[in-house]
Amino acid sequence: EVQLVESGGGLVKPGGSLRLSCAASGFTFSSYSMNWVRQAPGKGLEWVSSISSSSSHIYYADSVKGRFTVSRDNAKNSLYLQMNSLRAEDTAVYYCVRGGRDSSFFDYWGQGTLVTVSS
Amino acid sequence: DVVMTQSPLSLPVTLGQPASISCRSSQSLVYSDGNTYLNWFQQRPGQSPRRLIYKVSNRDSGVPDRFSGSGSGTDFTLEISRVEAEDVGVYYCMQGTHWPLTFGGGTKVEIK
Repeated sequence: EVQLVESGGGLVKPGGSLRLSCAASGFTFSSYSMNWVRQAPGKGLEWVSSISSSSSHIYYADSVKGRFTVSRDNAKNSLYLQMNSLRAEDTAVYYCVRGGRDSSFFDYWGQGTLVTVSS
Repeated sequence: DVVMTQSPLSLPVTLGQPASISCRSSQSLVYSDGNTYLNWFQQRPGQSPRRLIYKVSNRDSGVPDRFSGSGSGTDFTLEISRVEAEDVGVYYCMQGTHWPLTFGGGTKVEIK
């Protein structure tokens, strides 16, 4: 069974940093691109970042470019999102999502981890 | 950026009746490999999104056959042939053809 379990969310002050993790299981993690998607309270879905299976291709939304860094450790079956210079508008549930441009594209989602940026 | 426009924003439906959600993109979603990367997701209250349809019309495993996707180019539709109580939630389309990836604003399906 495919499982994606996010962790690392919490309350942080504006300008602070946080590192999210996503532990993957139930599939060959190293064969799949992975993604982060966020959802602000009561709002819709916003794509944040994508990373290819070998980390050779990385993409960011303009809203987080220069502040967030996505990475992965295929030996540990883990995906990460380092978030720096956090702003109030980064407050959201962050989802780890599997898949690149094939039949797996965004097919499995984690339960999400809440990041709250507030003083 | 490709803008994904969903309509309607809210869709009250009678149980057992059909429902249709439209999703229009500001550019063609046909990728260089010939595929069209248009997905549909369902988000029930308090849950993570769940993929229903990928590449326009391919239904995911376990998704009831009352859900179907259609369309091409810039114009896409999700149809529910007979709405059931468990279909309540917000539905999103998403394009995966162009960077940045973008979602529609969502359509809230509720029971009348």
